[in-house]
Amino acid sequence: NAGVTQTPKFQVLKTGQSMTLQCAQDMNHNSMYWYRQDPGMGLRLIYYSASEGTTDKGEVPNGYNVSRLNKREFSLRLESAAPSQTSVYFCASSEATRAGGGELFFGEGSRLTVL
Amino acid sequence: QKEVEQNSGPLSVPEGAIASLNCTYSDRGSQSFFWYRQYSGKSPELIMFIYSNGDKEDGRFTAQLNKASQYVSLLIRDSQPSDSATYLCPIGGSQGNLIFGKGTKLSVKP
Repeated sequence: NAGVTQTPKFQVLKTGQSMTLQCAQDMNHNSMYWYRQDPGMGLRLIYYSASEGTTDKGEVPNGYNVSRLNKREFSLRLESAAPSQTSVYFCASSEATRAGGGELFFGEGSRLTVL
Repeated sequence: QKEVEQNSGPLSVPEGAIASLNCTYSDRGSQSFFWYRQYSGKSPELIMFIYSNGDKEDGRFTAQLNKASQYVSLLIRDSQPSDSATYLCPIGGSQGNLIFGKGTKLSVKP
């Protein structure tokens, strides 16, 4: 039972390079999310997708783009990486789509370093 | 904007003691409350959720919710060194997401 799978787990980029973080879930969840976690800052929402074909900005969307490729997959793209984007990125999925929230199931995380 | 406040700790308790973790939240209309545990270098994992005022028990864990005072707490009885982790208390957001505070680091000393 894979749950939420993220790739890659580790990545080092140079400033200005681009990359895509991939995420897939096998729980048939409608909602998917990308969070970043920085020391002393907690988990902050970057983008989310309430259903296939829809995406919306979260708290910290600048410098990122997302694609909800299908119900299973939700990718996060950094077009021109900056050192401020050095972080651990978590993909999550949930059955909940309405206000109030529900349990989030997290992937293992992707640790990104931008030099 | 909804916010969650937690004491970042570290909170240190001896093995076998009760660990008490607390959170306050800004939005009186919040309806769903969660406790997650996150080991160093790992992803958050759900401990329990609570929707109604009062206590909810699951094994050694008890979540307490007081909506009037806008706080939620987690008690861990008979704390074990394996309970050493960062504890997160997110609340439900407007789009099915969860809103997180900074987390409280718990250290249980043998």
